[in-house]
Amino acid sequence: QKEVEQNSGPLSVPEGAIASLNCTYSDRGSQSFFWYRQYSGKSPELIMFIYSNGDKEDGRFTAQLNKASQYVSLLIRDSQPSDSATYLCAVKGYSTLTFGKGTMLLVSP
Amino acid sequence: NAGVMQNPRHLVRRRGQEARLRCSPMKGHSHVYWYRQLPEEGLKFMVYLQKENIIDESGMPKERFSAEFPKEGPSILRIQQVVRGDSAAYFCASSTDRGGDTQYFGPGTRLTVL
Repeated sequence: QKEVEQNSGPLSVPEGAIASLNCTYSDRGSQSFFWYRQYSGKSPELIMFIYSNGDKEDGRFTAQLNKASQYVSLLIRDSQPSDSATYLCAVKGYSTLTFGKGTMLLVSP
Repeated sequence: NAGVMQNPRHLVRRRGQEARLRCSPMKGHSHVYWYRQLPEEGLKFMVYLQKENIIDESGMPKERFSAEFPKEGPSILRIQQVVRGDSAAYFCASSTDRGGDTQYFGPGTRLTVL
């Protein structure tokens, strides 16, 4: 049974701070890793993906992958109130995604 | 450039009725995935289809649920004899012909069973 674990939160950070979201996964053979953002009542929106060990940066977002530790993280720099949402970590197997339950992020003005 | 389209956005059914959820993938995408999100739960994979083929239905309940993606027209997720436990948000995602990794989600259908 493939599992993806996330702290449910909420993670509360002040505006302008760095938010750090973490995810662990059980299937050591997983190759692709995704972060989605989901606002309440809305559908998941892709933020970024990462395939290789190390860091990948896209604007204010940085994804970090450590396959040896089976650990993925997402850093959000200069957090804004509009970043308040649930962040979903997803791991791709052969063809389908396994999602964690998500971490709720609250950014206070 | 339209994204993934789903309809209806909201669907109310009484116990025992049938629910039909439709999904049109993004232009150029021929891979469709259905996910269900129960209240306070994560997204759960249900089924993966390509045109006229079910590739992976390992997440589909054994009874009452079926899915198709015909040569022409949208993908359909069909739930027969709905029960209150079927109340959830149902999301469709699509990816490219090349089986690209990235899945893009539609707005979802919120099913309420009375």
